[in-house]
Amino acid sequence: NAGVMQNPRHLVRRRGQEARLRCSPMKGHSHVYWYRQLPEEGLKFMVYLQKENIIDESGMPKERFSAEFPKEGPSILRIQQVVRGDSAAYFCASSPGQIGATNEKLFFGSGTQLSVL
Amino acid sequence: EDQVTQSPEALRLQEGESSSLNCSYTVSGLRGLFWYRQDPGKGPEFLFTLYSAGEEKEKERLKATLTKKESFLHITAPKPEDSATYLCASQGGATNKLIFGTGTLLAVQP
Repeated sequence: NAGVMQNPRHLVRRRGQEARLRCSPMKGHSHVYWYRQLPEEGLKFMVYLQKENIIDESGMPKERFSAEFPKEGPSILRIQQVVRGDSAAYFCASSPGQIGATNEKLFFGSGTQLSVL
Repeated sequence: EDQVTQSPEALRLQEGESSSLNCSYTVSGLRGLFWYRQDPGKGPEFLFTLYSAGEEKEKERLKATLTKKESFLHITAPKPEDSATYLCASQGGATNKLIFGTGTLLAVQP
């Protein structure tokens, strides 16, 4: 049973370009979360999605960032017109149900390291 | 605002030297307190979930405990392979997201 798969592992973009980060959750998981990790900082929540729905996007910057989790295919985190401050590790996590319910937890992917030149 | 604070930021131990990591949290209506381990270049790996004050969980050399304001991760007789960053996270209220602390970087020297 494959874990949470993220690709690419490393992504280099120049300022102004678009970045697309992909996440395939674990088999049977319908809840996806995106987190950002900056050097010397903790994991910061960005967005929580279920199939075809954005449930909580309270951590997403208001501009340039968007996320989707279509009925078929991986979840995509899209960053338009990247700036140097977007350089970070972006982690995707999935769960089969709502976390906080007994025994539910997040399973994380290995992340995508985005570098903006 | 929900908040998680971990201390110390970094900890260096000799192999076999037991110690504890601290996680202080302020959250409305705690639903779960999570511990994760993160190795360099990898995603966090789940260790424990604690749900109520007084609860304890153990796994090999690790034991997690929970009070109404803090959680501790006790490491007994650590080995070099226990070296990693240990992350604490809380989930509260009606939210489904985890709020993470900045972690404790543990280095265990042989």
